[in-house]
Amino acid sequence: NAGVIQTPRHKVTGKGQEATLWCEPISGHSAVFWYRQTIVQGLEFLTYFRNQAPIDDSGMPKERFSAQMPNQSHSTLKIQSTQPQDSAVYLCASSLAQDTQYFGPGTRLLVL
Amino acid sequence: GQGVEQPDNLMSVEGTFARVNCTYSTSGFNGLSWYQQREGHAPVFLSYVVLDGLKDSGHFSTFLSRSNGYSYLLLTELQIKDSASYLCAVRDRNNNNRIFFGDGTQLVVKP
Repeated sequence: NAGVIQTPRHKVTGKGQEATLWCEPISGHSAVFWYRQTIVQGLEFLTYFRNQAPIDDSGMPKERFSAQMPNQSHSTLKIQSTQPQDSAVYLCASSLAQDTQYFGPGTRLLVL
Repeated sequence: GQGVEQPDNLMSVEGTFARVNCTYSTSGFNGLSWYQQREGHAPVFLSYVVLDGLKDSGHFSTFLSRSNGYSYLLLTELQIKDSASYLCAVRDRNNNNRIFFGDGTQLVVKP
C-alpha cells in the first residue's frame, strides 16, 4: 500500500500561469479531500468528493480554483491565473469512512 | 473553522506527560480526531473519539466531553521525538459531515 500519492511534490509557477495538482487516493477509499496549508492560515479545507461525486466545495475560491475526480483512482486540483497568495502546501487526503483521513505528502506550490 | 480552538504552544519535559486541549462549538458534532504533524510532513492520524470518556491507546490517550465541547490528547512518557504539532479535527453533520481542523498546538519536549 503506497498511501496517498501526490504529484508533483514541488511546483514553481509565474504569476498568471496555470497549475494542476494530482492526487491518487488509497485504493478502495471512497472519499477524497483537498486542503491547503500555510503558516498564517493553518490547514484550510477546500473541497471533497465521495464516490467521485463532489459533496462540498465551500472552501474553494470560486473564480480560479476547480477540482475534479474523473475516476476513482485520481483527482485533480486546478488553479488558473495563479497569484502569489496561492503559494501554499496543497494536501490531498483519502478515507474509507471519513473518521480517519490519510494524507498524502503534499504539493508545495510557489507562485513567483 | 466551526470554533475549533487549541492553544498555540505547549512545552513539557522528556519522561513526563503533556495534555493538548481542544474546544469546539460545532452544532452537529459527529466525531473528533487527533492528528500529529511533524515539520515538513503531512498530518498523521492518531485517534478518533465520538463517545464521552477516556480512550486509552497506550502512548496516546484521548478524552471527550460532548456536553462541554471539550477534548484532550494526553501523551505520556514523553520522548523528544514527540515534539510536533497536534491537530484537533471535528466532524459536523450539519455541514455535509465536513471535518474542521483547529490550527494545531506546537508541542516542544525538552530534555
